[in-house]
Amino acid sequence: RKEVEQDPGPFNVPEGATVAFNCTYSNSASQSFFWYRQDCRKEPKLLMSVYSSGNEDGRFTAQLNRASQYISLLIRDSKLSDSATYLCVVNIPSDNAGNNRKLIWGLGTSLAVNP
Amino acid sequence: DVKVTQSSRYLVKRTGEKVFLECVQDMDHENMFWYRQDPGLGLRLIYFSYDVKMKEKGDIPEGYSVSREKKERFSLILESASTNQTSMYLCASRPGTAKNIQYFGAGTRLSVL
Repeated sequence: RKEVEQDPGPFNVPEGATVAFNCTYSNSASQSFFWYRQDCRKEPKLLMSVYSSGNEDGRFTAQLNRASQYISLLIRDSKLSDSATYLCVVNIPSDNAGNNRKLIWGLGTSLAVNP
Repeated sequence: DVKVTQSSRYLVKRTGEKVFLECVQDMDHENMFWYRQDPGLGLRLIYFSYDVKMKEKGDIPEGYSVSREKKERFSLILESASTNQTSMYLCASRPGTAKNIQYFGAGTRLSVL
C-alpha cells in the first residue's frame, strides 16, 4: 500500500461546481498534513495546512479524519483558475524512534474547471 | 516573499557529462532540499541539508551528490549524467521553525541525451 494515495483524476467540473478530493495515508504516526497546488509546468505551492478540527480559507475547506486516516479538500464555487493538480502531503517519522520526520508527497489529483 | 531561485529552467546535456544544478534562497532558511518529479512517480527526495556543510541522503540519492558551502546555496551534482536522470528537478527551502512548509523554486527541466 502506498504511504499516501490520491485519485489521479482528472476531475472535470463546470464553473461554479463544488468538488472534493480525498487523500488516504497509511502511517498512523503521521502528524502534519498539507495541500499543495501545482499548475502545469510550475512548482508546487502551499495551498493550506490541514488542522485536526478542520479549517477553511475562502472557498477551500480542508478536513482531517484520523480514525480513517484520510484528509480531504473541498472547493466551492469552482473558478477556471482553480484548474491545477492538487498534491496531498503528509509528515511521517523517518526513523523507528520517531526522532526525525519527513514529508511524503501524493501523486496529485488533476482538476479541470470548464467554462 | 520567499524567493527560491534555480539557475536554469531548461538544460540539455549528454550522457556522461557532469551537471551542476544551482539553487539559491534569500530568506536565510536552514533547510534545503532537492527533489525530482516524474510522471506517475511524484516528487521524490534526492538529498537535503539542515545546515551549511551538512547533507543527508533522501530516498533516491544514487547517481547524485550535493554541496552546501554557504547557507543560501544548495547545489545538486550529477557526476556522470545518464538518460534515466532526465527529469524535472525542484529545489525547496524551509525555515527551521516552520511546520514542514516548503517553498519551491521554479524547477529545472533536465534532458540527458
